[in-house]
Amino acid sequence: QVQLQESGPGLVKPSQTLSLTCTVSGGSISSGGYYWSWIRQHPGKGLEWIGYIYYSGSTYYNPSLKSRVTISVDTSKNQFSLKLSSVTAADTAVYYCARLGPELDFDYWGQGTLVTVSS
Amino acid sequence: DIVMTQTPLSSPVTLGQPASISCRSSQSLVHSDGNTYLSWLQQRPGQPPRLLIYKISNRFSGVPDRFSGSGAGTDFTLKISRVEAEDVGVYYCMQATQIPTFGQGTKVEIK
Repeated sequence: QVQLQESGPGLVKPSQTLSLTCTVSGGSISSGGYYWSWIRQHPGKGLEWIGYIYYSGSTYYNPSLKSRVTISVDTSKNQFSLKLSSVTAADTAVYYCARLGPELDFDYWGQGTLVTVSS
Repeated sequence: DIVMTQTPLSSPVTLGQPASISCRSSQSLVHSDGNTYLSWLQQRPGQPPRLLIYKISNRFSGVPDRFSGSGAGTDFTLKISRVEAEDVGVYYCMQATQIPTFGQGTKVEIK
């Protein structure tokens, strides 16, 4: 069974860059057929799709965040990563990595990691 | 962006009784390939979301058959035939016909 695990700092200062990594186990990112995604959830709120990447490196971002987001993939480590620049308190959220399957559903999720933006 | 609107936002239910959640999209979710990419997710307290239903009515692996999905076009419904204690949580509809967007969530709780 595919498992995803987020990792990265839980505290980021305003104006800095948030960096997270998702490690995938139980399946290879390189096998294709899936989009590897980042989704966030503001405290007590709903879900917001940030973007996703294919193993080839093709990326798709939410237009509302596109100017600040970079998603990359490292197939040798079976990982993909998120960078969000110029963060503010509004970026405080639980960040999830998830797999988007061929049926365009998010079928596997990581446990999530809380990132707080504060000085 | 396609806006997803769920009703109700809160649903107190008696154990063993049915529950129903509606989800309406601001435009048709029929993709140019003919599929409708509407799914339902469950988020139990303190847990990540979990896929229940994909493409309107298909149960994901391991999902109990008391969960069912239906609908077409812009109107969709998730039904729980008999609510169990483990069903408490927030339920989200999600569309991926265009860039993915989620409903605001419906909280299911036991009366």
